[in-house]
Amino acid sequence: AAGVIQSPRHLIKEKRETATLKCYPIPRHDTVYWYQQGPGQDPQFLISFYEKMQSDKGSIPDRFSAQQFSDYHSELNMSSLELGDSALYFCASSSYDETQYFGPGTRLLVL
Amino acid sequence: AQRVTQPEKLLSVFKGAPVELKCNYSYSGSPELFWYVQYSRQRLQLLLRHISRESIKGFTADLNKGETSFHLKKPFAQEEDSAMYYCALRAGGTSYGKLTFGQGTILTVHP
Repeated sequence: AAGVIQSPRHLIKEKRETATLKCYPIPRHDTVYWYQQGPGQDPQFLISFYEKMQSDKGSIPDRFSAQQFSDYHSELNMSSLELGDSALYFCASSSYDETQYFGPGTRLLVL
Repeated sequence: AQRVTQPEKLLSVFKGAPVELKCNYSYSGSPELFWYVQYSRQRLQLLLRHISRESIKGFTADLNKGETSFHLKKPFAQEEDSAMYYCALRAGGTSYGKLTFGQGTILTVHP
């Protein structure tokens, strides 16, 4: 079965640069979630979208923005990157049955 | 606000021994509880959700609202059970709610 796809899988950026992470949900899933997992930390919720509208917001810095497009894929845009943004970024998708299925994550390293 | 606590960061058992991964939660409403597992270099996978009341790979978990716990149990651990286990909570009453994760427990099953 198709799973959640995230790209890129690895990303290296310099401080103050911009990064864009992409998430492609499982077909027919209408909800996308973004989580951030710092080194040795548990995943922390950032933001979610349902039917292309923001449905919830967590501890997401103002430097970050996200959206869900008409094909339901989502992008997380991160600007003015800081060293502390280095983390594993997970995307998850769900449909009405509510189980969240996770992607493999994008590992971001900010130098 | 909801909170999930997994008191054991590391748990080691021998093959064939019983294993119990503890999870306690704090939430004023009616929560949904989940166990996710992450095998080495793989994505987070749903193991159990409390409303399903099923056994997956020999694991079971019962929601104890009195003790606000959702411990994960298996009577006979196998080496392939070695992984990171996360307990997660979703606030009740929302169909598209974020997950709040515990800190995770690394289970190692020795031969």
